[in-house]
Amino acid sequence: GAGVSQSPRYKVAKRGQDVALRCDPISGHVSLFWYQQALGQGPEFLTYFQNEAQLDKSGLPSDRFFAERPEGSVSTLKIQRTQQEDSAVYLCASSLRTGGASGETQYFGPGTRLLVL
Amino acid sequence: KQEVTQIPAALSVPEGENLVLNCSFTDSAIYNLQWFRQDPGKGLTSLLLIQSSQREQTSGRLNASLDKSSGRSTLYIAASQPGDSATYLCAVIGSARQLTFGSGTQLTVLP
Repeated sequence: GAGVSQSPRYKVAKRGQDVALRCDPISGHVSLFWYQQALGQGPEFLTYFQNEAQLDKSGLPSDRFFAERPEGSVSTLKIQRTQQEDSAVYLCASSLRTGGASGETQYFGPGTRLLVL
Repeated sequence: KQEVTQIPAALSVPEGENLVLNCSFTDSAIYNLQWFRQDPGKGLTSLLLIQSSQREQTSGRLNASLDKSSGRSTLYIAASQPGDSATYLCAVIGSARQLTFGSGTQLTVLP
């Protein structure tokens, strides 16, 4: 596709339920990022992949959060035993090469809005 | 730890006015700074990217400046239009590859 896509766009989960959020990056993009955006705040970094390798997961808030990108393209962010504080918009971004220091732009998807009741 | 602050948090201006949004960051060891626009319910759109060696970037009615030594950036919007209404986010990249964002400035341009 032309841009980064994410699914589902909206997810309502009961507390304690497991959820899986999907990201389809721009075809051929090496780098993939996940961010969490709470209401009224800027996005905060969760984790970073270069191809299939998860090079940085320092932003994951707890061991209930897990991300994978097994074939270096599509990525899934899984949240186990969801809590109310997990309610947020989860944004995925991709960049062509290694991003960051190279000065490349990260292209963002529309996000998945997660509400945990 | 890098911290990014944006002032003001919200701004309302009449159409046609020129305006400035401010961004400051605590660690000047950055590789680049980006300004994004976010519309409600949508993802982020990159507006301008300034590399650490640059002082400013321009795109249409937008001009962004960077003073790395003082940890400041401004986004200047000329002749504002109602379609410019959105949240504007400033973000920096340091030694890690992820973006560190401010909380944004919510801009409303009144017709």
